Amino acid sequence: DGGITQSPKYLFRKEGQNVTLSCEQNLNHDAMYWYRQDPGQGLRLIYYSQIVNDFQKGDIAEGYSVSREKKESFPLTVTSAQKNPTAFYLCASSIDGGSGGPYNEQFFGPGTRLTVL
Amino acid sequence: QQQVKQSPQSLIVQKGGISIINCAYENTAFDYFPWYQQFPGKGPALLIAIRPDVSEKKEGRFTISFNKSAKQFSLHIMDSQPGDSATYFCAASGTASKLTFGTGTRLQVTL
Repeated sequence: DGGITQSPKYLFRKEGQNVTLSCEQNLNHDAMYWYRQDPGQGLRLIYYSQIVNDFQKGDIAEGYSVSREKKESFPLTVTSAQKNPTAFYLCASSIDGGSGGPYNEQFFGPGTRLTVL
Repeated sequence: QQQVKQSPQSLIVQKGGISIINCAYENTAFDYFPWYQQFPGKGPALLIAIRPDVSEKKEGRFTISFNKSAKQFSLHIMDSQPGDSATYFCAASGTASKLTFGTGTRLQVTL
């Protein structure tokens, strides 16, 4: 059963802590993405990766870090430098990130809801 | 900056009515225009997509209308149902560019 999995579904963080959100895909997609969604808001791109061992900052990368050591995995770390991390985090993947057309179509995971206590 | 402008921000439609959501883009290099549907607490899912070589694409009750000269495209939901109540995002991309999303439209279909 192919798809994107995110874990955990819910995550609680104390102020000053770093937390890591997991994203795994078995679609054999080259590109992966992390988005943040605040209540009633759109999708804001945090980081994306078009190939293993390479990633680029999105629109709101400050306070976040990522790694892409394996094609199927793209974990996101929310660091203590992120001042307002409470949000819904979405991971996505696409066949690739630059060939255009349906190759750019993104498939989303179920999301992780992060709450700062 | 590549932008996709989406309107309205929210929409209330009676059951059986037509829901219309509009998007406009700036980058003439965009060549793929998908629409995503998101239910509360879930990830967005692809609903329907269009390429600029056609002016309309229909899948069931969902239709995309595309106006290349105006750089606009819209989603029409015919015979809207309460189960269609969700947030809808338009998006656009081109060769060598990732998807750019609109800001979303929250649709509520009332009985």
